Amino acid sequence: AQSVTQPDIHITVSEGASLELRCNYSYGATPYLFWYVQSPGQGLQLLLKYFSGDTLVQGIKGFEAEFKRSQSSFNLRKPSVHWSDAAEYFCAVSKNSGYALNFGKGTSLLVTP
Amino acid sequence: EAGVAQSPRYKIIEKRQSVAFWCNPISGHATLYWYQQILGQGPKLLIQFQNNGVVDDSQLPKDRFSAERLKGVDSTLKIQPAKLEDSAVYLCASSLGGQAQSRVGYTFGSGTRLTVV
Repeated sequence: AQSVTQPDIHITVSEGASLELRCNYSYGATPYLFWYVQSPGQGLQLLLKYFSGDTLVQGIKGFEAEFKRSQSSFNLRKPSVHWSDAAEYFCAVSKNSGYALNFGKGTSLLVTP
Repeated sequence: EAGVAQSPRYKIIEKRQSVAFWCNPISGHATLYWYQQILGQGPKLLIQFQNNGVVDDSQLPKDRFSAERLKGVDSTLKIQPAKLEDSAVYLCASSLGGQAQSRVGYTFGSGTRLTVV
């Protein structure tokens, strides 16, 4: 069955520290991959997406993600976290264009001073 | 461009009552999705429309949930009767649709937060 796994439910990092959020997927072929961020009471904002080509993808707010086919992973990274990055982060996958997004359960990021 | 509009923003109802949510997608977006997001979980697809036809409603609890997109633009999601476990945020999203990668992109509305008491 197709699935998206975010192994970490909660992550706490200090402001200024680096961040990596993990995402693994189980799909028959390379799907389309997305990372979204959701602040409390807000909708989902797209951080970045990957369809094909260069496996390192740059997004908004200084985020990047790397697609690793051999590991079926699409981990999100940021070199230096800001307090405003505290939010819920969702990895999402779609089988192809025209298909709905399948979301992971999310990772809640807490940023400490 | 205007985003995906949803209303109401919040709704509180008693169990066994009915409720309806409205969504207006981005102009020109052929595909519309309704998601249910229970607190602490990721969004779960309820139904997908392509224009005014249903593409996927396999996860829609059809005994109590219904949705329509009559003219291929706005959509309404209804719950009747509501249960306590329906308390969630209901998100609407839209996309251009089609097979080309250039057309891939999903825009979400701010959602309707439903509390069933």
